[in-house]
Amino acid sequence: GQQVMQIPQYQHVQEGEDFTTYCNSSTTLSNIQWYKQRPGGHPVFLIQLVKSGEVKKQKRLTFQFGEAKKNSSLHITATQTTDVGTYFCLSGGGADGLTFGKGTHLIIQP
Amino acid sequence: GAGVSQSPSNKVTEKGKDVELRCDPISGHTALYWYRQSLGQGLEFLIYFQGNSAPDKSGLPSDRFSAERTGGSVSTLTIQRTQQEDSAVYLCASRQQGSATEAFFGQGTRLTVV
Repeated sequence: GQQVMQIPQYQHVQEGEDFTTYCNSSTTLSNIQWYKQRPGGHPVFLIQLVKSGEVKKQKRLTFQFGEAKKNSSLHITATQTTDVGTYFCLSGGGADGLTFGKGTHLIIQP
Repeated sequence: GAGVSQSPSNKVTEKGKDVELRCDPISGHTALYWYRQSLGQGLEFLIYFQGNSAPDKSGLPSDRFSAERTGGSVSTLTIQRTQQEDSAVYLCASRQQGSATEAFFGQGTRLTVV
């Protein structure tokens, strides 16, 4: 799989504040997927981005794929306690194993 | 089945014993992946199966770890002579063939080596 770097590793926000996590690669990615893992749970698929410059929205979540297809971001507007968890990006496929970023742990303080 | 099933959900074993962890993927999913996740950490890739073959075993931490998949379905991850550092949650995922498909995860097996 293609190696991706994810930042930040941890993010503390007050409830209602916005949150952004970034995934960066040194090589062009064929696609990128985002997953969310709640505390004590398993990763669950959120979305996939394929096209250069693609932007997708899911309620308060906005996902972007960079023009060069080397980076991606997930932005949450006005965080809620239900947003707590770890957000992973993933690239790779075909004959490769799936390589996840290390994840961003979102901690929300009420 | 409806989802990826892993068993057991929890396993406590004594140091030095062997353990087998099982993953039953979604029917028809040709790709199967094993990951290890320590508390508060990311997903450490272990091994990947395409059908019954394992093109990528690069993530197996040592020769105490092995995995097999039979009939293109169920996979077993075996850890021999377990050590305390093997304690973690072992997650299995499956997906349909192709790079643009989502991965479905099982609930994981929490392994504790005492």
